Amino acid sequence: GAVVSQHPSWVICKSGTSVKIECRSLDFQATTMFWYRQFPKQSLMLMATSNEGSKATYEQGVEKDKFLINHASLTLSTLTVTSAHPEDSSFYICSVPGQGKATEAFFGQGTRLTVV
Amino acid sequence: DAKTTQPTSMDCAEGRAANLPCNHSTISGNEYVYWYRQIHSQGPQYIIHGLKNNETNEMASLIITEDRKSSTLILPHATLRDTAVYYCIVRSNSGYSTLTFGKGTMLLVSP
Repeated sequence: GAVVSQHPSWVICKSGTSVKIECRSLDFQATTMFWYRQFPKQSLMLMATSNEGSKATYEQGVEKDKFLINHASLTLSTLTVTSAHPEDSSFYICSVPGQGKATEAFFGQGTRLTVV
Repeated sequence: DAKTTQPTSMDCAEGRAANLPCNHSTISGNEYVYWYRQIHSQGPQYIIHGLKNNETNEMASLIITEDRKSSTLILPHATLRDTAVYYCIVRSNSGYSTLTFGKGTMLLVSP
């Protein structure tokens, strides 16, 4: 199956600073990637769909100017949390949809963001 | 996508079979049943999926009822490392459809 590498695994930042999270598809090219967010003791919630070469599609309630998504190549999508605040502290996970017969999605290991 | 209902938590003794149920009574004809699990502080891991026939792989077995309104994920010999939240998700296989995660079942495997 596809390997999805997410970096960093964890990050601590100060309020007001920005943090960039990278998601790489190592096995195949991905024109689409998904970004999820998971708060403690809650399930994963889809934040946005990252589209290679075009603008990301954001779910209702997710601020596009705060969560900047760049999908500049077929193997890399980045999520930048701008002007982070403590309420942005969460577990961020990226996903690459399966291709061809492999229709399952593959997930990165997640990034634990703590804003202090 | 159809909604699923799972028990909040289940316990299982190490070495025994873990049977995790899922109800999806509103599933439509083109929707598959997917199972993922999430070990604490990790990304979800794909386990298995099926349409209407029972499926088996190296990780688990998936039993889908004839009317497709419910299914059971079976871990034949649970180990401590199988402790995780298990998500049953129903979705179509068309295009890049996303996965909608419910609350899942917290499976605790004990010695």
